[in-house]
Amino acid sequence: GENVEQHPSTLSVQEGDSAVIKCTYSDSASNYFPWYKQELGKGPQLIIDIRSNVGEKKDQRIAVTLNKTAKHFSLHITETQPEDSAVYFCAASRNAGGTSYGKLTFGQGTILTVHP
Amino acid sequence: DVKVTQSSRYLVKRTGEKVFLECVQDMDHENMFWYRQDPGLGLRLIYFSYDVKMKEKGDIPEGYSVSREKKERFSLILESASTNQTSMYLCASTPPRSTGGYTFGSGTRLTVV
Repeated sequence: GENVEQHPSTLSVQEGDSAVIKCTYSDSASNYFPWYKQELGKGPQLIIDIRSNVGEKKDQRIAVTLNKTAKHFSLHITETQPEDSAVYFCAASRNAGGTSYGKLTFGQGTILTVHP
Repeated sequence: DVKVTQSSRYLVKRTGEKVFLECVQDMDHENMFWYRQDPGLGLRLIYFSYDVKMKEKGDIPEGYSVSREKKERFSLILESASTNQTSMYLCASTPPRSTGGYTFGSGTRLTVV
């Protein structure tokens, strides 16, 4: 089955700096790669996703890049703010139809702390 | 606003008890999932269901079972709770052949003593 590795496990940055979180996956058939943000006391929320036919996607201060050949994808947060502090999870799935039922395999999570 | 609701936020149970964790979604989604979240291990899939009365094992089903009698409700059952099942449990749902991500509930933090 799929295996997703996420690094680093903790990341501490100053407000205004950039933060990068990296994930690798094992199943070359995976074609959907979402990122989730989990704030304290809440369930994870989808913040951005990318599909295998796209190399990069941006949404304001966050961006995700995908390298299918190397089987890795990354989350980039620019101009970080204290409210970006949270746990971030990457995930992968074969999401385009078939019998996967949208099952996601998650990485181990990254605790991001943004210091004012 | 669409919602996935987990019935309990915190739960404390004794070893050997039968425990029910309930999850209800109001989005008419076919697919529902139960994950457990542990520090350093991320989210691991316990069971999922793609239709009423249908269920499939995930990566760590041992010690758990599930029930899906109605489309909107997916229950996780710990037949005989053990201390190693102390964890955060997260329920999620997606429509069939989902082109988007999960909608998660807020989680149930279960402590088995």
